[in-house]
Amino acid sequence: DVKVTQSSRYLVKRTGEKVFLECVQDMDHENMFWYRQDPGLGLRLIYFSYDVKMKEKGDIPEGYSVSREKKERFSLILESASTNQTSMYLCASSLFPSSYNSPLHFGNGTRLTVT
Amino acid sequence: EDQVTQSPEALRLQEGESSSLNCSYTVSGLRGLFWYRQDPGKGPEFLFTLYSAGEEKEKERLKATLTKKESFLHITAPKPEDSATYLCAVCNNAGNMLTFGGGTRLMVKP
Repeated sequence: DVKVTQSSRYLVKRTGEKVFLECVQDMDHENMFWYRQDPGLGLRLIYFSYDVKMKEKGDIPEGYSVSREKKERFSLILESASTNQTSMYLCASSLFPSSYNSPLHFGNGTRLTVT
Repeated sequence: EDQVTQSPEALRLQEGESSSLNCSYTVSGLRGLFWYRQDPGKGPEFLFTLYSAGEEKEKERLKATLTKKESFLHITAPKPEDSATYLCAVCNNAGNMLTFGGGTRLMVKP
């Protein structure tokens, strides 16, 4: 069974802090994704990566960056946290490069509050 | 721009009361439509993929159907354990990204 593990369930950070959200998957998946989930807006893609050291912008990359140094680990970085980045962050992975034939496996999320 | 709209936003059912959830979409070439279930405090869990109009998939009390403009998730004789948020997503011709709807929160009372 695929396991996607996010390092923190809850985080509280101050405005302007640099924030790291970590995600690890244990199934040698090619693709990894970062989404944020907000009430009424659904899941929105921030960044994804289809290989080590590769990254692609999603729909809402502004204010975020990512790092993928190893295949199993994908990090989301908030360079200078702002209150509008308070949200639930979900990491996901999938086996094949094309999402249409490979379902996403999600972690349980990190609820980030920026004060 | 791909768009996915789910309705209703919330649905309350009595145990055993069958109903349907709707997912309307516009997409530049549909490669696949996905249904996920999300329990409180957890990440979404994959249920179905539908690829072409007319296709149907079933799992226990759930059946997903697909037309050229929308998908339905039919729930037959639901039980309280079916309570969750159900998410719909589409993948377009580029094949690398999903666009999600806002979800339907289903509550089934015993």
